[in-house]
Amino acid sequence: RKEVEQDPGPFNVPEGATVAFNCTYSNSASQSFFWYRQDCRKEPKLLMSVYSSGNEDGRFTAQLNRASQYISLLIRDSKLSDSATYLCVVNFGRGTLTFGKGTMLLVSP
Amino acid sequence: GAVVSQHPSRVICKSGTSVKIECRSLDFQATTMFWYRQFPKKSLMLMATSNEGSKATYEQGVEKDKFLINHASLTLSTLTVTSAHPEDSSFYICSARGGQTSGSGGYNEQFFGPGTRLTVL
Repeated sequence: RKEVEQDPGPFNVPEGATVAFNCTYSNSASQSFFWYRQDCRKEPKLLMSVYSSGNEDGRFTAQLNRASQYISLLIRDSKLSDSATYLCVVNFGRGTLTFGKGTMLLVSP
Repeated sequence: GAVVSQHPSRVICKSGTSVKIECRSLDFQATTMFWYRQFPKKSLMLMATSNEGSKATYEQGVEKDKFLINHASLTLSTLTVTSAHPEDSSFYICSARGGQTSGSGGYNEQFFGPGTRLTVL
């Protein structure tokens, strides 16, 4: 079983839409969780950490369900500039990061 | 966030040559640097972890004699792809982390360089 799994998409949504991405991870002892954003041919950039209680940063909301080993990212009021690949990232306790393949989002006018 | 640079940003070379990629932390001391590789439409794969002044730890399946890593200072790590072949063509990204991790599984944020696109002809 792959360590971090995501639906590759692409998710095509109009501006203003709400879109949600999901991610599952294989190790129940995982330490910390993140969503990164990667633009085409660029390096990944940290979007937000994911906390057990759930956390929100503007239009972005992240949720963690440890029992189901599941992480989600919700984007409200999508903007054209949100078009990117969203990477689910897990620290399995080795101090290193394990990346999912990413979910591509395309926001159209 | 902190700034990490990579040089060169893009390199094209002939098969059999060696290519050196530099990764620098510009405004902090990076006790640990990581090297990743990303093939098209694939996830970032960790190649190796290097701590300043010690030998790099390579992930399973990564040849240490082919991918030479040197982390001689707290602000510079280099990756040398020796005798490059077309299958080594990829996007190589470094990241840097400073300070001490908290506990055995602790994590301090990694800051990524802009990547180096290697094409081997």
